[in-house]
Amino acid sequence: AQKVTQAQTEISVVEKEDVTLDCVYETRDTTYYLFWYKQPPSGELVFLIRRNSFDEQNEISGRYSWNFQKSTSSFNFTITASQVVDSAVYFCALGSWGKLQFGAGTQVVVTP
Amino acid sequence: DTGVSQNPRHKITKRGQNVTFRCDPISEHNRLYWYRQTLGQGPEFLTYFQNEAQLEKSRLLSDRFSAERPKGSFSTLEIQRTEQGDSAMYLCASSLQGGAFFGQGTRLTVV
Repeated sequence: AQKVTQAQTEISVVEKEDVTLDCVYETRDTTYYLFWYKQPPSGELVFLIRRNSFDEQNEISGRYSWNFQKSTSSFNFTITASQVVDSAVYFCALGSWGKLQFGAGTQVVVTP
Repeated sequence: DTGVSQNPRHKITKRGQNVTFRCDPISEHNRLYWYRQTLGQGPEFLTYFQNEAQLEKSRLLSDRFSAERPKGSFSTLEIQRTEQGDSAMYLCASSLQGGAFFGQGTRLTVV
């Protein structure tokens, strides 16, 4: 069975601070994908990134960066210089295509 | 609008009534997924279609739930004899390759 654990329930920061969200996963599959989604108060899930299990190269996209470590089954996500608009629930997910196992989510609150 | 579209956005129904939700995926996407999300939880997979074929159903999808995608384009999710426990956000997603793109969901409240 697949499992995704996001141990942090809520993280509160002041604007411009960095935020790192932890994600640990379990799977017996040798090929899989990992995802991060953002869910703002409006409710829509916004796709942020997909990584496949063969690609451990970390990535930076603007203020977002991802750290994938297969040895520790972790796929962490960092927001640099947070902004109020980053306030949302962030979900880590595991699976393939669109059939995903989601974690419980981490609420990020950014205050001015 | 080229995103995933779901209707209605909100639905309030009395216990025991039937409800139907519609999902229009991104036009070139052949895979379509339904999820359910309750408050404070991540989305849970319900079922998915590749074109018009329903390829997998979760244990969460009881006999009261049925989904269709008759022409491989839009999909409907029907819940019969609704119960208060069915109150949730129902999310639809579509994909071609790579990540799934989600609609804004239909929030169902059973009173």
